[in-house]
Amino acid sequence: QQQVKQSPQSLIVQKGGISIINCAYENTAFDYFPWYQQFPGKGPALLIAIRPDVSEKKEGRFTISFNKSAKQFSLHIMDSQPGDSATYFCAATPSRGSNYKLTFGKGTLLTVNP
Amino acid sequence: EAGVAQSPRYKIIEKRQSVAFWCNPISGHATLYWYQQILGQGPKLLIQFQNNGVVDDSQLPKDRFSAERLKGVDSTLKIQPAKLEDSAVYLCASSLARNTEAFFGQGTRLTVV
Repeated sequence: QQQVKQSPQSLIVQKGGISIINCAYENTAFDYFPWYQQFPGKGPALLIAIRPDVSEKKEGRFTISFNKSAKQFSLHIMDSQPGDSATYFCAATPSRGSNYKLTFGKGTLLTVNP
Repeated sequence: EAGVAQSPRYKIIEKRQSVAFWCNPISGHATLYWYQQILGQGPKLLIQFQNNGVVDDSQLPKDRFSAERLKGVDSTLKIQPAKLEDSAVYLCASSLARNTEAFFGQGTRLTVV
C-alpha cells in the first residue's frame, strides 16, 4: 500500500521557472511532512519540512504548501536553477510522542535546463 | 561535524551469497536507521535502533536480513542468502533522538547477479 503518492515522476523546467511537485497522503496519523533532495550518488538531505498547523512554509526559494483537508502538500521551487537538478522526495511520518517512521513518495527527477 | 559513514560504497555479489554493510552514525546520535532504496523508488525503512535496542523492524525480511548495533554506535546489516530483488542502495541514517531530523549517509549500492 503506497501511503504517499508523488507526482510528477519527472519534470523539466527552464532556468528561472517555477518547479512544482505534488504529494498526497492517506494516513491521518501523519503530522510531519519533510521534503528531501537527493543528488546522484548521495543520500537524501532534508530540504524543508512542515507540520499541519500551518498552510505554508517558505525558506529562500523553496516553499511548501499544505492542504490538511485534502491531505495534500506540494513543493514549489521559485527561480529554478541548474544546480537544483536532483531527485526530490516527499515524505510523511507521525512525530509527536512517537518515532519518526518516514514513508517516502517515489520521487520526482527534476531537470533544470540552463 | 562528520556525517554518517557507510562502507563499502559498492558491492557486487552472486545470488545466494552473503553480504554485510557497515554504518558509523554521527557522534552522539542515539537513533539509527537502515533504509532500502530500489532504483526509481523512495527509501523504505528496514529497521530502526534506539541505542542498541530495536525499535521497529516490521519491514525487515527476517528470513534473510539481520542487523545489529552493538554498543549503541556502529551498525551492520547482513543479507544471507541474497536474492536478485535485493539489488538496491542501502542507506543508513542517524538522528539525535527518535523524533528528530534524520541525516543520511551516501549509501551502499548492492548489485546481485
